[in-house]
Amino acid sequence: AQTVTQSQPEMSVQEAETVTLSCTYDTSESDYYLFWYKQPPSRQMILVIRQEAYKQQNATENRFSVNFQKAAKSFSLKISDSQLGDAAMYFCAYSPGAGSYQLTFGKGTKLSVIP
Amino acid sequence: GAVVSQHPSWVICKSGTSVKIECRSLDFQATTMFWYRQFPKQSLMLMATSNEGSKATYEQGVEKDKFLINHASLTLSTLTVTSAHPEDSSFYICSDRGIGQETQYFGPGTRLLVL
Repeated sequence: AQTVTQSQPEMSVQEAETVTLSCTYDTSESDYYLFWYKQPPSRQMILVIRQEAYKQQNATENRFSVNFQKAAKSFSLKISDSQLGDAAMYFCAYSPGAGSYQLTFGKGTKLSVIP
Repeated sequence: GAVVSQHPSWVICKSGTSVKIECRSLDFQATTMFWYRQFPKQSLMLMATSNEGSKATYEQGVEKDKFLINHASLTLSTLTVTSAHPEDSSFYICSDRGIGQETQYFGPGTRLLVL
């Protein structure tokens, strides 16, 4: 069974600074998808970024980027120029892809942004 | 991303009553929808996978007679909590995945409180 581990229950960052959230996963598959979702206090789950395992290039979405290390099964999220609105729970998630698409979530990292 | 609506957003009911939660995919036809449960300060736990026109697939430990799922159309899935008890109080979230889509988009969630 796939597992997703987020080893940082809480993180904090100064506004305008950069922070990196860690995620590791375990799978025997070669093709899969990885996601970072953000859950603000409203509890609406919002897709932050997505990475296809077959792509070597790291995904980037504006201030958000990932460091995908397939061999190490690591998928960290970097938030640049942190803003107050980035404060939220961040969940790393794994999907096996074709035929299933079920998501396995990590336990989450609570990110605080200090003004 | 896709837009998913959920109704109601809040529900308070007496113990022993049944509660129906609707999940609608507004942007595309969702052959597959997912139902999650989230306890305070915890991650999302997949309850079941809802497939249009067929029976839902429940995760281990989830009572299918307790949590009835119906996916009668490509845009609507419903979760009915039957004979609700206080321990069923939780935050329920649905997500959808369109045909050929590997990404799940989430509804805003439903807070259920059983008195």
